[in-house]
Amino acid sequence: GDSVTQMEGPVTLSEEAFLTINCTYTATGYPSLFWYVQYPGEGLQLLLKATKADDKGSNKGFEATYRKETTSFHLEKGSVQVSDSAVYFCALYGGATNKLIFGTGTLLAVQP
Amino acid sequence: DTGVSQNPRHKITKRGQNVTFRCDPISEHNRLYWYRQTLGQGPEFLTYFQNEAQLEKSRLLSDRFSAERPKGSFSTLEIQRTEQGDSAMYLCASSLEAGGPYEQYFGPGTRLTVT
Repeated sequence: GDSVTQMEGPVTLSEEAFLTINCTYTATGYPSLFWYVQYPGEGLQLLLKATKADDKGSNKGFEATYRKETTSFHLEKGSVQVSDSAVYFCALYGGATNKLIFGTGTLLAVQP
Repeated sequence: DTGVSQNPRHKITKRGQNVTFRCDPISEHNRLYWYRQTLGQGPEFLTYFQNEAQLEKSRLLSDRFSAERPKGSFSTLEIQRTEQGDSAMYLCASSLEAGGPYEQYFGPGTRLTVT
């Protein structure tokens, strides 16, 4: 079945460091891909999305490119801030499913 | 647009009791989803509705779980004879099914603790 694999955390970075969180997927067909973020004590928020191969999703300085050849959707940010500390979830929708399938999440801790 | 709301935000119950949660989706959204999230894991799909029709249920949704969406508006999730393993965050999401990309917007969740 469809699945998402994320790099395990926690990821600890200093402010202004470069961030990469790896995400790969297995899916039938052509799913849409998403990154959601969960700040401490808050609900899941959609961070960015991409609907087809080579699409780049971007929001709040974060970017991810839908790579069909490597079945990947890695999240990147050039300069993280303390306020980016949160849990990040990669997810897919579509292919053989009418629901979001999430990875296990990656905790990011940014230190001043 | 006030977003997806869920009530209650927290529920503590004793094993064996029944509990009911409510979700109010974004008003124009015709799809409504329920997910369950346990500590350190990503959300797992439970069930979804398109308008008032329940179209899919996960194998995670045992016979003790039932969900409804009367009139295609708000939804309720009931758990009968709760067990300690039911302790989790229950998330509701809604989306507008109008050609994709099927973005789902989540509520704040209901945290259930079964003692």
